Amino acid sequence: GAGVSQTPSNKVTEKGKYVELRCDPISGHTALYWYRQSLGQGPEFLIYFQGTGAADDSGLPNDRFFAVRPEGSVSTLKIQRTERGDSAVYLCASSPGPLNTEAFFGQGTRLTVV
Amino acid sequence: AQTVTQSQPEMSVQEAETVTLSCTYDTSESDYYLFWYKQPPSRQMILVIRQEAYKQQNATENRFSVNFQKAAKSFSLKISDSQLGDAAMYFCAYRSASRGSQGNLIFGKGTKLSVKP
Repeated sequence: GAGVSQTPSNKVTEKGKYVELRCDPISGHTALYWYRQSLGQGPEFLIYFQGTGAADDSGLPNDRFFAVRPEGSVSTLKIQRTERGDSAVYLCASSPGPLNTEAFFGQGTRLTVV
Repeated sequence: AQTVTQSQPEMSVQEAETVTLSCTYDTSESDYYLFWYKQPPSRQMILVIRQEAYKQQNATENRFSVNFQKAAKSFSLKISDSQLGDAAMYFCAYRSASRGSQGNLIFGKGTKLSVKP
């Protein structure tokens, strides 16, 4: 595709449920990043993939959060036992590689836990 | 750890006027990149301008320019001839350029810019 695509655009879920958020990076981009943006804050780094492997998952807040990128393109962020504090916009970005300075962002998924 | 601080939660400018958004950062690294991103209501982060720390010359992109003061760890954004379409959240961001850097960005809390017609 022409840009980074994230689905769904909005997701409302009940506390305790499981959710999956999808990111389709720009074709050929090997580096993929997930960020979380809480209300009134700047995005905070969650996890970085280089190819298929999670090269850095130090930003994941706890073990309820997990992300995969099995074929080195599409990535899924998975959140188990959602809590109201997980409500935020989840942004995905990709770049041709970690040395490339420009990251291209998707429009994010707004997750609301009720 | 690196930090980015934007001390202006909100700013307002008259259309066609000039406005400056402030950003300071803290790092012990000597090689890094600094960015300004624009985030309109659509939520998509759009790169406005980029500065390499090793370059003394301030970056410029059309109506957007920066004042990069490396010693003071300051990186302000100047928007000239402001347009209604410039209204958005603006985020300052830091990226390490050190060997082995993974390219993730560290963002400030943002400045909401309003443009008055």
